Amino acid sequence: AQKITQTQPGMFVQEKEAVTLDCTYDTSDQSYGLFWYKQPSSGEMIFLIYQGSYDEQNATEGRYSLNFQKARKSANLVISASQLGDSAMYFCAMREGNRNQAGTALIFGKGTTLSVSS
Amino acid sequence: SAVISQKPSRDICQRGTSLTIQCQVDSQVTMMFWYRQQPGQSLTLIATANQGSEATYESGFVIDKFPISRPNLTFSTLTVSNMSPEDSSIYLCSGCRGLSTDTQYFGPGTRLTVL
Repeated sequence: AQKITQTQPGMFVQEKEAVTLDCTYDTSDQSYGLFWYKQPSSGEMIFLIYQGSYDEQNATEGRYSLNFQKARKSANLVISASQLGDSAMYFCAMREGNRNQAGTALIFGKGTTLSVSS
Repeated sequence: SAVISQKPSRDICQRGTSLTIQCQVDSQVTMMFWYRQQPGQSLTLIATANQGSEATYESGFVIDKFPISRPNLTFSTLTVSNMSPEDSSIYLCSGCRGLSTDTQYFGPGTRLTVL
């Protein structure tokens, strides 16, 4: 079974509009971390936002926020006021494991391509 | 944030040859990983690079095909051996400080094309 599911292969949005990119995850661990990365056409992986499983508040970083619904095992990324430069591939990822355990590698979803038009 | 550099940034290689990719990280990084991203696909973990010992490979990846070294804390190499066109991918080095809550940072990637 997939650990990270991103069901939207592509999303289209107009400049200045908000967009939500979906991510659901599957884990039996109580402690885990959820991450979102942006990958422009240049190929670099840019970290956007992190949500810990014990965090009670939804994470926010500038125009990015993470809508964390633990019971539903979803961690959707919300981008407010989209810009042309937001056009890229977006990946949701998860790290499982005990909070005190040395970091294990991230598991990635298949990604969502976001296209922002003027 | 951690600084991670990789070289080469891209290469075009002939079938049957090997390519070694180098990754340098700053001293904040303790855990190092290698990922492969095939065209149009997501990132797949190849292995965890262990300092001074054999790397830990994921299912589907073997040491003979992807030998990895990590002679010290801040340097690692990945070799893609006996290449075929199916090895054409972006190879990414990644690192984190070792806590489960830490962000995992990525190098700029190596775009490999095998003819």
